[in-house]
Amino acid sequence: GQQVMQIPQYQHVQEGEDFTTYCNSSTTLSNIQWYKQRPGGHPVFLIQLVKSGEVKKQKRLTFQFGEAKKNSSLHITATQTTDVGTYFCAGLRGSNYKLTFGKGTLLTVNP
Amino acid sequence: EAGVAQSPRYKIIEKRQSVAFWCNPISGHATLYWYQQILGQGPKLLIQFQNNGVVDDSQLPKDRFSAERLKGVDSTLKIQPAKLEDSAVYLCASSLGTGGYEQYFGPGTRLTVT
Repeated sequence: GQQVMQIPQYQHVQEGEDFTTYCNSSTTLSNIQWYKQRPGGHPVFLIQLVKSGEVKKQKRLTFQFGEAKKNSSLHITATQTTDVGTYFCAGLRGSNYKLTFGKGTLLTVNP
Repeated sequence: EAGVAQSPRYKIIEKRQSVAFWCNPISGHATLYWYQQILGQGPKLLIQFQNNGVVDDSQLPKDRFSAERLKGVDSTLKIQPAKLEDSAVYLCASSLGTGGYEQYFGPGTRLTVT
């Protein structure tokens, strides 16, 4: 079945440092979504990427979708303590409408 | 706009007991999802409804789990009998439709099976 893998599993940074998490799918995706889950909270939608090579920015967050539509990344510039949480990518494959989540990357930020 | 509502928020049961969770999606959302999230992992889809029909239940352990969305609005997920490995957070989510829509998650029900 479809697998979505994320690395790293954990990342601890000093406030102000950059952070990147990577997502790889075993199959070509039609869409990829990113969610953020704060400690004790529920996943909250961040963005969706659809096109090959697509890059989208939200303030300090930059999202990329690979040319082959099998990988994606999320980059946070100059992390803040409010960025703490687990970032999940979730892939959608063609006619299969099921969203498959990665295991997530837990980001902690030292003030 | 009200979000996705779930109840109860917490539940502790003994193994072999039964439990039911309730979800009320955002008004107008045709698609409803039940996910299981084990600590340290991403949400795993158990079942997906489009209105009152099942779109996907391939990962639902049907010998013990059941779910329904009879009127195409709110939904219940039941476990009977529960096992220790069912301890997890059960998340309900909804979206306007299937395939590429943003999913809105409820606060979840934390189930502990002892």
